Amino acid sequence: EAGVAQSPRYKIIEKRQSVAFWCNPISGHATLYWYQQILGQGPKLLIQFQNNGVVDDSQLPKDRFSAERLKGVDSTLKIQPAKLEDSAVYLCASRTGLAGARYEQYFGPGTRLTVT
Amino acid sequence: KQEVTQIPAALSVPEGENLVLNCSFTDSAIYNLQWFRQDPGKGLTSLLLIQSSQREQTSGRLNASLDKSSGRSTLYIAASQPGDSATYLCAVFTGANSKLTFGKGITLSVRP
Repeated sequence: EAGVAQSPRYKIIEKRQSVAFWCNPISGHATLYWYQQILGQGPKLLIQFQNNGVVDDSQLPKDRFSAERLKGVDSTLKIQPAKLEDSAVYLCASRTGLAGARYEQYFGPGTRLTVT
Repeated sequence: KQEVTQIPAALSVPEGENLVLNCSFTDSAIYNLQWFRQDPGKGLTSLLLIQSSQREQTSGRLNASLDKSSGRSTLYIAASQPGDSATYLCAVFTGANSKLTFGKGITLSVRP
């Protein structure tokens, strides 16, 4: 079974530029998450999708961050314009949405963003 | 609001030592607890998941325990090796439409 795929793995941009990250979850996983992990911290949830609907985006800075999950499969996360404090690793995770499941989340390798 | 604490932030031990990593959480109403490993610059690898109805899970040299009523979990690593050097994160899941709440992690260094 293929794992969660993310691209790019690394990205360096200047502040005020825009950037987009892509995630392909495990096949059949209805729930998809984007987390932000700042150096020395645990991951923090940015947005949670159930199929192509948003379940929780309460911690997404909506003035600059946006995310979509068209057709309930792949997802993209965009930052526009980027700030220095957006430097972090962006992790995508997925899990099955089946009732009674273990609710175990599977993580991709992450995208390391550096804003200069 | 659920909060997860992992202390200490860093730990250095000689090879071969048995060690315990601690995790505490404030809200005992959890579905499960996961322990992850993170190597520098990499994503998260799930090590063990303990359901709320379980007391412990084992995988190889790893054993994780859960005491939900006291809000505590421990990850026991037997006969530590330099290859175990990494950051270990604890996370709790509190509902079907919920998210994982993570601790800040413990950075483990195993000296040869």
